[in-house]
Amino acid sequence: QKEVEQNSGPLSVPEGAIASLNCTYSDRVSQSFFWYRQYSGKSPELIMSIYSNGDKEDGRFTAQLNKASQYVSLLIRDSQPSDSATYLCAVGVPALNNDMRFGAGTRLTVKP
Amino acid sequence: GAGVSQSPSNKVTEKGKDVELRCDPISGHTALYWYRQSLGQGLEFLIYFQGNSAPDKSGLPSDRFSAERTGGSVSTLTIQRTQQEDSAVYLCASSPPGRANSPLHFGNGTRLTVT
Repeated sequence: QKEVEQNSGPLSVPEGAIASLNCTYSDRVSQSFFWYRQYSGKSPELIMSIYSNGDKEDGRFTAQLNKASQYVSLLIRDSQPSDSATYLCAVGVPALNNDMRFGAGTRLTVKP
Repeated sequence: GAGVSQSPSNKVTEKGKDVELRCDPISGHTALYWYRQSLGQGLEFLIYFQGNSAPDKSGLPSDRFSAERTGGSVSTLTIQRTQQEDSAVYLCASSPPGRANSPLHFGNGTRLTVT
């Protein structure tokens, strides 16, 4: 089982819709969770971090964490074509000396 | 302040040659990570440093790969006897001390092409 799993997509949504991205992780004691956005040919950039169960909102982005079910999600409201990118889920792995592992990423396309 | 700096930005080498990739993290960042990303793929973990020590080397794909970090700052990833399958973008990231698993700050990567 991979440490961090995401649906590779591609996920396509119309402009203005809500995009929902999901991620599951295997290490039950993980405490730190992140979403990164990566445009084609660019390096990943941090969008959201979340450490506690529940929702965390930042502008059009909402991260949701459920440690009991070992999943973390990212919602993008009012999706824009500029949101088209690959979204990477990252999880801190205490069993690996607090290393950081990434999912394979979900490619999102927002169609005008 | 400056971000994570990687050099060279592009490297073309012949199969069988050795290459060195350099990462200069953000000043004061104690954790440093190397990842590899092949075209259209996710991030493949290579190695993680905390200070000068590497608690997790499990991602290095073979003994041709090695990395070191000196003075708690600059890190060098060395690939010996390069193979075509080593072609990828090599990303370095750093994070500050304090909270475990602070967010990572990525460099722009080194694009390695082995011909």
